Amino acid sequence: AQSVTQPDIHITVSEGASLELRCNYSYGATPYLFWYVQSPGQGLQLLLKYFSGDTLVQGIKGFEAEFKRSQSSFNLRKPSVHWSDAAEYFCAVDSWGKLQFGAGTQVVVTP
Amino acid sequence: GAGVSQSPSNKVTEKGKDVELRCDPISGHTALYWYRQSLGQGLEFLIYFQGNSAPDKSGLPSDRFSAERTGGSVSTLTIQRTQQEDSAVYLCASSSPTDPGLAGFYEQYFGPGTRLTVT
Repeated sequence: AQSVTQPDIHITVSEGASLELRCNYSYGATPYLFWYVQSPGQGLQLLLKYFSGDTLVQGIKGFEAEFKRSQSSFNLRKPSVHWSDAAEYFCAVDSWGKLQFGAGTQVVVTP
Repeated sequence: GAGVSQSPSNKVTEKGKDVELRCDPISGHTALYWYRQSLGQGLEFLIYFQGNSAPDKSGLPSDRFSAERTGGSVSTLTIQRTQQEDSAVYLCASSSPTDPGLAGFYEQYFGPGTRLTVT
């Protein structure tokens, strides 16, 4: 069965520091992978997606993610976080047209 | 253009009552999805409509849950005889093209959600 694991429930990072959020997936075929962000009281916003091709994908708000098939990972990174990046981040895999989400990682940004 | 809209934004209901949650997808989007977000279960798929095909109801947690999509556009999620464990945020999403070969096929755009509280 397909699954998505986000090992870190909560991450605290200083403003201006780099951020990396981990995502591991279990999927039989080439996965379609996504990262979404959810700010407090808001819906989910798509940050970036991977379908095929280049394993390093660029997204909105300065985020990027790297697909590593050998490690079954799709980690999200940002070189320098801003206070507005405080939110919950979800990794997801497409499963026959439906999204299967990880448990999410809450990011707190400190001054 | 306008995004996915959902109403109401908040709903408080008594245990045992029926509720209806509405979703207006992005105009022209052929696929519509319902998800549930709760503290205990995270984000869960509920049901998926694609064009005129029979919906994929594999995520509905019980027969108290049902959904319909009228005219290929607006969708209503109905929960009958609500229970306290139904308390959650119900999210609707839509996506555009019908051809899986198009990159946008799998991009789902989410509404702000309806927060349901069952007392």
